[in-house]
Amino acid sequence: QVQLQESGPGLVKPSETLSLTCTVSGGSISSYYWSWIRQPAGKGLEWIGRIYTSGSTNYNPSLKSRVTMSVDTSKNQFSLKLSSVTAADTAVYYCASFEDYNQTFDYWGQGTLVTVSS
Amino acid sequence: QSALTQPASVSGSPGQSITISCTGTSSDVGGYNYVSWYQQHPGKAPKLMIYDVSNRPSGVSNRFSGSKSGNTASLTISGLQAEDEADYYCSSYTSSSFHVVFGGGTKLTVL
Repeated sequence: QVQLQESGPGLVKPSETLSLTCTVSGGSISSYYWSWIRQPAGKGLEWIGRIYTSGSTNYNPSLKSRVTMSVDTSKNQFSLKLSSVTAADTAVYYCASFEDYNQTFDYWGQGTLVTVSS
Repeated sequence: QSALTQPASVSGSPGQSITISCTGTSSDVGGYNYVSWYQQHPGKAPKLMIYDVSNRPSGVSNRFSGSKSGNTASLTISGLQAEDEADYYCSSYTSSSFHVVFGGGTKLTVL
């Protein structure tokens, strides 16, 4: 069973860059799509983007100018960077596996809360 | 504002059936059979319950079923149980920007 675990700072200052890493265990990260999704407190889910293990990416148009995703197959990890953060970026951030053939998120990490505050 | 529209809340008594709707457009729900449903309990990660409009992943109870008509998809839960109380989100592929969009979520209360 594939398991995902997010890691990174829980507090980021406004205007700085949010950086998170997702470690995949129980399976290889190769030849698969991986995604980031976020959820502000009490609100719905927002897809941030996805990355294939080749490094190919697709981002949510509303966040595209601030998002960078990368993958490290040697460590079975993929990462998210979100620049110029504001309080509106405060949310629980989830990493998830993404099945491209049917557009589903089948395995999820437990989520990590990132607060943007000075 | 979410791309897909769901009712904010629904409720039902144990043993009853409820249906949650998810309305989109011809660019997403209506145009593709890539509608999924996720269940989220408080403080937990979402869990995939339905994919491809009406298919259940292994291990998901057959009390959960999905369907679609036009631009609206639906999730039906039959024989409601207390453990079904959770938030439910629909998602769909959208050709307008070639990615996945979510509904705003529906809180299910089991009375």
